[in-house]
Amino acid sequence: QSALTQPASVSASRGQSITISCTGTSRDVGGHNFVSWYQHHPGEAPKLMIFEVTKRPSGVSNRFSGSKSGNTASLTISGLQAEDEADYYCCSFAGGTTDDYVFGTGTKVTVL
Amino acid sequence: QVQLVHSGAEVKMPGASVRVSCKASGYTFTAHFMHWVRQAPGQGLEWMGWVRPRTGDTLYAQKFQGRVTMTRDTSINTAYMELSALTSDDTAVYYCARESSGYKNFDLWGRGTLVTVSS
Repeated sequence: QSALTQPASVSASRGQSITISCTGTSRDVGGHNFVSWYQHHPGEAPKLMIFEVTKRPSGVSNRFSGSKSGNTASLTISGLQAEDEADYYCCSFAGGTTDDYVFGTGTKVTVL
Repeated sequence: QVQLVHSGAEVKMPGASVRVSCKASGYTFTAHFMHWVRQAPGQGLEWMGWVRPRTGDTLYAQKFQGRVTMTRDTSINTAYMELSALTSDDTAVYYCARESSGYKNFDLWGRGTLVTVSS
């Protein structure tokens, strides 16, 4: 099972918007609506930001939104803030294949 | 307080085995699958498998089959991940992560255990 493909890094100024892509296959991203996104500050526990492609857990800012088209899911962060600087990982359920879940390669978000 | 607390850092010789524990508190341990995810230095997250605390059933990523064992002790609300035949490539932070019931995502994570494999 190959990792989902994400851009290695994305940067933007405070207040701007960014979108992180997550490309898989029809066996994972394209085949299920169980795509989730995680924010990870080094040394801390990862945090769930988006689940089931578009849903936000309670307590997550509405500046974070998710979408999907075909085999590619996306995470958009609007009104970028300093505390958004972190690593972001997508993850897709891939049940029925060799592994149940597959993560993305990760994207480092830098707030300029 | 709902949390997952890991055991402490480990240093192991190549060829050895390591067991990492993850103690759950603040919720019904048997109501949620527990997953294990690792992150090698400079690398991304890698899913390793899950254990179903209620039954002890497991599913492992193909990469780790034959080398990983995930268990649980419901009397102390603790999940375990044991990895054998360690190599330097297994140097990583190992996380336990709770699966949100029915939603196929990981809504609660521990802070991880660093396992270093070195001679």
